[in-house]
Amino acid sequence: DQQVKQNSPSLSVQEGRISILNCDYTNSMFDYFLWYKKYPAEGPTFLISISSIKDKNEDGRFTVFLNKSAKHLSLHIVPSQPGDSAVYFCAASARGSTLGRLYFGRGTQLTVWP
Amino acid sequence: DADVTQTPRNRITKTGKRIMLECSQTKGHDRMYWYRQDPGLGLRLIYYSFDVKDINKGEISDGYSVSRQAQAKFSLSLESAIPNQTALYFCATSDAGLVNQPQHFGDGTRLSIL
Repeated sequence: DQQVKQNSPSLSVQEGRISILNCDYTNSMFDYFLWYKKYPAEGPTFLISISSIKDKNEDGRFTVFLNKSAKHLSLHIVPSQPGDSAVYFCAASARGSTLGRLYFGRGTQLTVWP
Repeated sequence: DADVTQTPRNRITKTGKRIMLECSQTKGHDRMYWYRQDPGLGLRLIYYSFDVKDINKGEISDGYSVSRQAQAKFSLSLESAIPNQTALYFCATSDAGLVNQPQHFGDGTRLSIL
């Protein structure tokens, strides 16, 4: 059973516009959420994270929003650039987990066109 | 040099063969993980290790075994490979010393079983 869901397999955005990638989760014990970016032939690279005590975290062009009541998070990229074209994975870990185990969504392929 | 190194990067082999995938890290992290990625399925956890004396099964451990030879080395074995183990395999590490730490991934091993 998929505990972290990314329901959009792909997203296409024009350069300079905003990209919004969405993620839903079902486990109320999740308290730490991450976004990874993956280019072909490379491993996933950590992008940004948020703890459940916050509802927003910003790092340059990347902002993650967390809506705990809706069990939903989103990644905003503003402005989008062609180099942002990659697969984006949402991941979560559970409160009290001493193992650092992450649960991943299936990923969203973002394409940013000029 | 990469912090998390996986070897080989690509491997083609036949059904029934024993295969070992190796992972080494220079990050000094205690925790290490093995994942597999299949198209459209995201990353699924195979095994994880807290330290050299600790090995734990993930969600899809059947058909796999692991060995933590040292803090820096974590290998994954397929005792008798079968075609549905064809996938992209990733090793990851994380720091056990702090709460809520991201995992850091190698560039993966693409494994094809004929």
